[in-house]
Amino acid sequence: GAVVSQHPSWVICKSGTSVKIECRSLDFQATTMFWYRQFPKQSLMLMATSNEGSKATYEQGVEKDKFLINHASLTLSTLTVTSAHPEDSSFYICSARDEGLGRGTYEQYFGPGTRLTVT
Amino acid sequence: GQQVMQIPQYQHVQEGEDFTTYCNSSTTLSNIQWYKQRPGGHPVFLIQLVKSGEVKKQKRLTFQFGEAKKNSSLHITATQTTDVGTYFCAGPRSGAGSYQLTFGKGTKLSVIP
Repeated sequence: GAVVSQHPSWVICKSGTSVKIECRSLDFQATTMFWYRQFPKQSLMLMATSNEGSKATYEQGVEKDKFLINHASLTLSTLTVTSAHPEDSSFYICSARDEGLGRGTYEQYFGPGTRLTVT
Repeated sequence: GQQVMQIPQYQHVQEGEDFTTYCNSSTTLSNIQWYKQRPGGHPVFLIQLVKSGEVKKQKRLTFQFGEAKKNSSLHITATQTTDVGTYFCAGPRSGAGSYQLTFGKGTKLSVIP
């Protein structure tokens, strides 16, 4: 089955520093990847849609200069949290759609997530 | 904007009892999906329903898509402790061509052994 990896699985950083999170589709190509944020006991909140070779599309209220997204290849998207603050602490999950499944298939394959703690 | 609502938010059942979660969309959906997230884990795709009135089964799980394609349900027969987790429904965002999904808030299932 389709596998998405995410690295690191957890990270602790100091306030003001930047953190990069990688999301890779291991056995399929993904033109589109998605970045979500999940607060404890809550649903998935879409932050941005990452498009290979073009600019990411950010959701309303998500600062594009703070959450930098790069999708340089069909298997890799990165999310960089710049100048992190404690309120950025959260569970960040990426997902990817398998292009090979065809236009009518919307299923997303999720990475294992990254737990970010900003001190 | 489009809303996807799920009820109940929490459900505690005795092992062996049945469980049902309901999903309602404010707009007609081209398809609906269900995901399961185990405690401490990430969402895992379960199924996609496309046709009006469609019913699909996966062992003890039965998924249904409403006739109007605005609601769906997931029913688990004779729950087991392995069914513990949060079940999310998700539908394509209205007007979006980029395969974005709108997720419901999920139903957290606890199974008492």
